[in-house]
Amino acid sequence: GQQVMQIPQYQHVQEGEDFTTYCNSSTTLSNIQWYKQRPGGHPVFLIQLVKSGEVKKQKRLTFQFGEAKKNSSLHITATQTTDVGTYFCAGNSNYQLIWGAGTKLIIKP
Amino acid sequence: GAVVSQHPSWVICKSGTSVKIECRSLDFQATTMFWYRQFPKQSLMLMATSNEGSKATYEQGVEKDKFLINHASLTLSTLTVTSAHPEDSSFYICSASRLYRDYPSHSPLHFGNGTRLTVT
Repeated sequence: GQQVMQIPQYQHVQEGEDFTTYCNSSTTLSNIQWYKQRPGGHPVFLIQLVKSGEVKKQKRLTFQFGEAKKNSSLHITATQTTDVGTYFCAGNSNYQLIWGAGTKLIIKP
Repeated sequence: GAVVSQHPSWVICKSGTSVKIECRSLDFQATTMFWYRQFPKQSLMLMATSNEGSKATYEQGVEKDKFLINHASLTLSTLTVTSAHPEDSSFYICSASRLYRDYPSHSPLHFGNGTRLTVT
């Protein structure tokens, strides 16, 4: 079946370091959405990418959608404690939303 | 502010009893709502799609007689876990799509705060 693989599962960073999570789909996506879930909370929509090769920025967050519309990445520059949480990608394919497993961002004490 | 309200936030029930969870869209009409289940440290698992005025569409492996879904109005969907057992203990989250001008199709999902169900 259709899958969206998301890696890594966890990423430990020092505050101030960068963070990146990657999603790869087995099929071409019509669009991809990104969500953030804080510990104990619910997923919150961050952004949607639709166009091939699209790049969008939200302050320190950079989202990319691959040329083939099968992969996507989220890059956070200079992480802060407020960035802690799990970041999920969700790809739309054949009117189905397929979720990645999520990448948990952990700030080292 | 919150656009999807889910109630209750947490519930503890005895094995064999039924539990109803409500999901409301607060300031928009949602013809479709989604029910997810999330195990600790795992991703969201879509259980079913709730359609206003018609039967819900269940994902493979989800028992429709155990997880009853009713979408009686454009702003309310309910999930009833019938004859709950300890293995049903989980975090249940509902979501709804809100149409945005910038996202005419495949609109982003707004999630409720979730319900943590513990069956003893």
